[in-house]
Amino acid sequence: EVQLLGSGGGLVQPGGSLRLSCAASGFTFTNYAMSWIRQAPGKGLEWVSGISGPGGTTDYADSVKGRFTISRDNSKNTLYLQMTNLRADDTAIYYCAKVSAVVVAAHHHDYWGQGTLVTVSS
Amino acid sequence: QSVLTQSPSASGTPGQRVTISCSGSSSNIGSNYVYWYQHLPGTAPKLLIYENNQRPSGVPDRFSGSKSDTSASLAISGLRSEDEADYYCAAWDDTLSGLWVFGGGTKLTVL
Repeated sequence: EVQLLGSGGGLVQPGGSLRLSCAASGFTFTNYAMSWIRQAPGKGLEWVSGISGPGGTTDYADSVKGRFTISRDNSKNTLYLQMTNLRADDTAIYYCAKVSAVVVAAHHHDYWGQGTLVTVSS
Repeated sequence: QSVLTQSPSASGTPGQRVTISCSGSSSNIGSNYVYWYQHLPGTAPKLLIYENNQRPSGVPDRFSGSKSDTSASLAISGLRSEDEADYYCAAWDDTLSGLWVFGGGTKLTVL
């Protein structure tokens, strides 16, 4: 059974940093790309970032480019999202999601975690 | 403002058939597959339909998807109370370097 357990969310001040983690199990982690997708309060879903299975290719939404860094440790079956220079509009539930192939491009997200809440406020 | 457009709400009574629509453009729905997710707040979103009209194992055949040009639809027949949830459409967008785009979500209420 595929399981994705996100953690690391919390309250942070504007301009601050936070690192999210997503522990994966139930599949061969290195064979699949992963994404972070967020949902701001009262809003729809927004794809934030993706990383290929081996970790060599990363992509970002324009809204987070230069501020967020996605990475993975395939030896620990864990996905990360390092968030810096956080802004109020980064407040959202952040979901990690498994991609159905080794690359993100045009391959859908077939399993999602339950999400971790990030609140950016002073 | 979401790239894909969905009506914010839909409703139906038990046993009815409801349809949820999703509108996009030539760079996303017009040239790529459409996916549908079911989301109950506080839980993990669940893949409902992939590649326009395919159901993952375990998804009842009451759920069906279709696509035409730059629009797509999710139909739910034999509506049940447990279908009350938020539904999102998604598609890959070929603009620039490419990215995943989603609809704003449709909240389905079972009356």
